[in-house]
Amino acid sequence: EAGVAQSPRYKIIEKRQSVAFWCNPISGHATLYWYQQILGQGPKLLIQFQNNGVVDDSQLPKDRFSAERLKGVDSTLKIQPAKLEDSAVYLCASSLVSQTPEAFFGQGTRLTVV
Amino acid sequence: AQKITQTQPGMFVQEKEAVTLDCTYDTSDPSYGLFWYKQPSSGEMIFLIYQGSYDQQNATEGRYSLNFQKARKSANLVISASQLGDSAMYFCAMREEGGSNYKLTFGKGTLLTVNP
Repeated sequence: EAGVAQSPRYKIIEKRQSVAFWCNPISGHATLYWYQQILGQGPKLLIQFQNNGVVDDSQLPKDRFSAERLKGVDSTLKIQPAKLEDSAVYLCASSLVSQTPEAFFGQGTRLTVV
Repeated sequence: AQKITQTQPGMFVQEKEAVTLDCTYDTSDPSYGLFWYKQPSSGEMIFLIYQGSYDQQNATEGRYSLNFQKARKSANLVISASQLGDSAMYFCAMREEGGSNYKLTFGKGTLLTVNP
């Protein structure tokens, strides 16, 4: 079974530029999560999708971050414009349904804003 | 609001010995789940073990066991017979399961180093 795929693995951009990350969850998984992990901290949930609907985006900085999940499968997370404090690893995870204990994570995208 | 506390920034253990990683939590929801994840240097989070708040017995998965003490609100991870490959960051996490939003909240993590 293929795991959660994320791209790119690494990205360096200048502040005020825009960037997009892509996630392909495990086939059949209805729930998809985007987490932000700042160096030295645990992951923080940015947004949770159930199929193509948003369940929780309470910690998503909506003035600069946006996310969508097309047809309930792939998802993209965009930052526009980026700030220095957005430097972090962005992790995508998926689970069969939100109640399932086990969520599978991708390897993440490491973003550096200079 | 749910909160997870991991007070050990780093831990060292000798190969083949057991180690306990501490985790305390706070929640007002009577139904919740507790998790441990491993994050090696490659970056992905690997699910290790899950404990539901109503589970009577402590969860075990191979060399991993979760020491669940509900009254103390602690959910420590015990790794028996440590291996060099266990060196990684370990995160405790919880989610409230009484409603419809199963959001995971993570602690800050503990860096475990296994010495040969």
